[in-house]
Amino acid sequence: DSGVTQTPKHLITATGQRVTLRCSPRSGDLSVYWYQQSLDQGLQFLIQYYNGEERAKGNILERFSAQQFPDLHSELNLSSLELGDSALYFCASSMGRGYTFGSGTRLTVV
Amino acid sequence: DAKTTQPPSMDCAEGRAANLPCNHSTISGNEYVYWYRQIHSQGPQYIIHGLKNNETNEMASLIITEDRKSSTLILPHATLRDTAVYYCIVRTNQAGTALIFGKGTTLSVSS
Repeated sequence: DSGVTQTPKHLITATGQRVTLRCSPRSGDLSVYWYQQSLDQGLQFLIQYYNGEERAKGNILERFSAQQFPDLHSELNLSSLELGDSALYFCASSMGRGYTFGSGTRLTVV
Repeated sequence: DAKTTQPPSMDCAEGRAANLPCNHSTISGNEYVYWYRQIHSQGPQYIIHGLKNNETNEMASLIITEDRKSSTLILPHATLRDTAVYYCIVRTNQAGTALIFGKGTTLSVSS
């Protein structure tokens, strides 16, 4: 157990739908990062939050959004889902230099 | 962040040392070299990092050349469980700097 909790572990949904992925960071970590990993794209940085505020954006689609709540947990919202959104979604947290990753959410869009 | 170049794949016999190279010729003076690995679909795992001195921990050793343009991650006695994709990343240590992953090196350890 890395200390970073992601739920759900698996999610199957249909095209056009909307889903929410949740991440609870390691205790004390203020930064949360979201990554997408599809078979042909590798690990792509999506977005970072620090203590509730958006800090950096990577290759995140407009259909995707995220937020970090006062208790520091974060949610990644994916809408108007397409087949190509099928991927592993990882969350990581940090307080300073080191990153700790969760075990991911596997999203399958059918 | 500076870019890195790694070989796409490497093989290693179980029990032997695995030496994974990384080129980072445009690294800046305040950028560190980080190594992470990802074992089949699990979340990436931190291995080691360094600035200019060689570093060693319970998992691996990191050798950085004097000009800092390249480095080598050494797994002294590779096991089957070390089969993974290994990522070399350069970044500053400024808090909150995102890790940007490249394609990494797929290390296959066989018996």
